[in-house]
Amino acid sequence: AQTVTQSQPEMSVQEAETVTLSCTYDTSESDYYLFWYKQPPSRQMILVIRQEAYKQQNATENRFSVNFQKAAKSFSLKISDSQLGDAAMYFCAPGTSYGKLTFGQGTILTVHP
Amino acid sequence: DTAVSQTPKYLVTQMGNDKSIKCEQNLGHDTMYWYKQDSKKFLKIMFSYNNKELIINETVPNRFSPKSPDKAHLNLHINSLELGDSAVYFCASSQETAYEQYFGPGTRLTVT
Repeated sequence: AQTVTQSQPEMSVQEAETVTLSCTYDTSESDYYLFWYKQPPSRQMILVIRQEAYKQQNATENRFSVNFQKAAKSFSLKISDSQLGDAAMYFCAPGTSYGKLTFGQGTILTVHP
Repeated sequence: DTAVSQTPKYLVTQMGNDKSIKCEQNLGHDTMYWYKQDSKKFLKIMFSYNNKELIINETVPNRFSPKSPDKAHLNLHINSLELGDSAVYFCASSQETAYEQYFGPGTRLTVT
């Protein structure tokens, strides 16, 4: 079983600044993966970044990076040089090896010009 | 080219009716999924098929039945619709079960 907690219902950031979204999880799986997805007002679910739990190196994808602390079961998302187009709801989601994603409650990110 | 497509995008129907939502992916993926997102944006997996075989079947009423005619298609049929079925339903696919999932645009179902 997996559980996810995103403790920040809402966050805001100034354009060009950096923001970090928090996520903690619990899992009984030994082999699992972690994802961040964003959902803009268009409602499309868009993959932001993926992390294999067996890898110590933190994943990065352009302006997006994660801070993965396996022992603490923490998986935060850092967005650098924030842009207006980053405004969305962000979901943290641990996933099992058989494809079951468990989504957090989401964090609404507002980007101010 | 749309990678994961769903039809229809919007569906308004009355209680008691039966409806279907279709999903197609052109990514060549082996695994497809159905998710339900409620009014509070909570997203939960319903079903998953890998090579046309059901591998995830969460606690979902029997009124919901997935059908996978081939690897590229996964349809969702809902019988005797209830008010509580109103939600956005997302289809997704992945290359293998442990890989990232790509989502369709969603189908907003409204039951009146």
